[in-house]
Amino acid sequence: AQKITQTQPGMFVQEKEAVTLDCTYDTSDQSYGLFWYKQPSSGEMIFLIYQGSYDEQNATEGRYSLNFQKARKSANLVISASQLGDSAMYFCAMRGVAQGAQKLVFGQGTRLTINP
Amino acid sequence: DTGVSQDPRHKITKRGQNVTFRCDPISEHNRLYWYRQTLGQGPEFLTYFQNEAQLEKSRLLSDRFSAERPKGSFSTLEIQRTEQGDSAMYLCASSLLGGYTFGSGTRLTVV
Repeated sequence: AQKITQTQPGMFVQEKEAVTLDCTYDTSDQSYGLFWYKQPSSGEMIFLIYQGSYDEQNATEGRYSLNFQKARKSANLVISASQLGDSAMYFCAMRGVAQGAQKLVFGQGTRLTINP
Repeated sequence: DTGVSQDPRHKITKRGQNVTFRCDPISEHNRLYWYRQTLGQGPEFLTYFQNEAQLEKSRLLSDRFSAERPKGSFSTLEIQRTEQGDSAMYLCASSLLGGYTFGSGTRLTVV
């Protein structure tokens, strides 16, 4: 079974600072994918970044980067130069790639608040 | 193509009533997923379809829940004899090659 753990229920950061949101995972699959989503108060899940387990480089998407440490089973999200609009819930999720393993398994999320 | 659409956005119902939600995926996406998210938690998988075939169902999907995807296009999720514990956000997502696009969800309140 796959499991995602996000140990930070809430984070408070000053605008323009960088922030790291923690995510650890557990899986017996050799091949898997890791995702980060942002959920503003409107409710929709917005895709931020993806990391494949065999990707040698850490994924980056604009101000988002994923600090992937496979041996430690961690996939932390780094947001550089935070903005007020970054205030939201953030979810880490994983998907196995075995036959039939199509669903995403989510962590409990971290509520990020950016202070002006 | 404007993404994944869910209707209604909000639904308040009395305990014991039946409710039905609709999800319209991105048109070329062959996979469709339903998730349930309770307050302060991450989304939990309920079921998924590949085209019109329902390929996996979570144990969370009790016999009061049924989902369909006729003709492999839109999907409906019905909850019969609603209970207060069914109050949650119901999220739909679709995918084609492994990326997932979520809708804005239907927030159900059972009173």
